[in-house]
Amino acid sequence: EPEVTQTPSHQVTQMGQEVILRCVPISNHLYFYWYRQILGQKVEFLVSFYNNEISEKSEIFDDQFSVERPDGSNFTLKIRSTKLEDSAMYFCASRAGTPYSPLHFGNGTRLTVT
Amino acid sequence: GNSVTQMEGPVTLSEEAFLTINCTYTATGYPSLFWYVQYPGEGLQLLLKATKADDKGSNKGFEATYRKETTSFHLEKGSVQVSDSAVYFCALRGGTSGSRLTFGEGTQLTVNP
Repeated sequence: EPEVTQTPSHQVTQMGQEVILRCVPISNHLYFYWYRQILGQKVEFLVSFYNNEISEKSEIFDDQFSVERPDGSNFTLKIRSTKLEDSAMYFCASRAGTPYSPLHFGNGTRLTVT
Repeated sequence: GNSVTQMEGPVTLSEEAFLTINCTYTATGYPSLFWYVQYPGEGLQLLLKATKADDKGSNKGFEATYRKETTSFHLEKGSVQVSDSAVYFCALRGGTSGSRLTFGEGTQLTVNP
């Protein structure tokens, strides 16, 4: 069964550094998402992406964050200047274009900011 | 806005016990409802879904019925196994939130042999 794959599985970075989290969505999917889960807290929506542009974003997704689909397969989340509070598990998800199609999630990237 | 509330956890059961994890929601319009499961060290996997009132989603012995009158989507299983130990998330999509999923807090289930 097709999967959403995320790399790396664990990223450690110093405060103030830039990080790029990478995702390969399922190949025929049209909608792409990033979510995060701070340890012990809810899974929170960050951003959705469709037709090569952001379709929706949450208040968490401020100017420090950006997303890109640089080619036909990758979907990236960039954090320009990481803060301690950015430490979390980041999940990428994708879904097909049909109504009610479910989101398929990757296994996540654990980001640790020191 | 939309919100999802799950019963407080964690939940610990013996093998073959009956499981209920409560989930209630607040949303305008007619959202779709989902249960996702997260096994240790893994991502979120769709367990089941329901897209309209009175629909019953089912998978792997788990069931949940979309109850609009009580705004609930409780997860049930008649006989749990050790392998069901995981975190379970209730979620909704639609209404005023567009295509984004709104998750509940998650419920940690531990099943002992």
